[in-house]
Amino acid sequence: EPEVTQTPSHQVTQMGQEVILRCVPISNHLYFYWYRQILGQKVEFLVSFYNNEISEKSEIFDDQFSVERPDGSNFTLKIRSTKLEDSAMYFCASVMGGSNYGYTFGSGTRLTVV
Amino acid sequence: EDQVTQSPEALRLQEGESSSLNCSYTVSGLRGLFWYRQDPGKGPEFLFTLYSAGEEKEKERLKATLTKKESFLHITAPKPEDSATYLCAVTDGGNQFYFGTGTSLTVIP
Repeated sequence: EPEVTQTPSHQVTQMGQEVILRCVPISNHLYFYWYRQILGQKVEFLVSFYNNEISEKSEIFDDQFSVERPDGSNFTLKIRSTKLEDSAMYFCASVMGGSNYGYTFGSGTRLTVV
Repeated sequence: EDQVTQSPEALRLQEGESSSLNCSYTVSGLRGLFWYRQDPGKGPEFLFTLYSAGEEKEKERLKATLTKKESFLHITAPKPEDSATYLCAVTDGGNQFYFGTGTSLTVIP
């Protein structure tokens, strides 16, 4: 069964450093998303991406965050200058159609900012 | 204001003891309600999509139902491998899902 693949599975970074989280969505999917889940809290929307541009972003997705689809297969989330409160599980998701359909989520990247 | 509220927060069942999980939502113009299963340290795993009141979906021991205000996930004769957190999410047709905080289910052998 097709999967959404995320790397790395766990990343530890110093506060203020830049991190790039990588995702390979399912190949025929058109819509891509990043969500995050702080330990013990809800899964929260960060950003949606379609047709090579951001279609919606949440208040969490401030100027420190950016997304790219550099080569038609990878989908990346960059955090420019990490803060302690960025520590969370980050999930990539993709879907063929729009948000009326169930996404397929990746297994996540656990980001720990120290 | 919370869009999605799930109850109970945690549920312990004996193996074979059937029960239901609740998801109530306040989003107007519901375009889809989704149930996911999440194991510790893993991403949510898609279970069901429900689109309109009265709709039901089944998969193995799980059955999801939808009314105009809430959804139930019924678990019939659960097994220990059904232990997980069950997440409910809704969309109003926009670009994001709104998730509840989940119900942590433990099935004791």
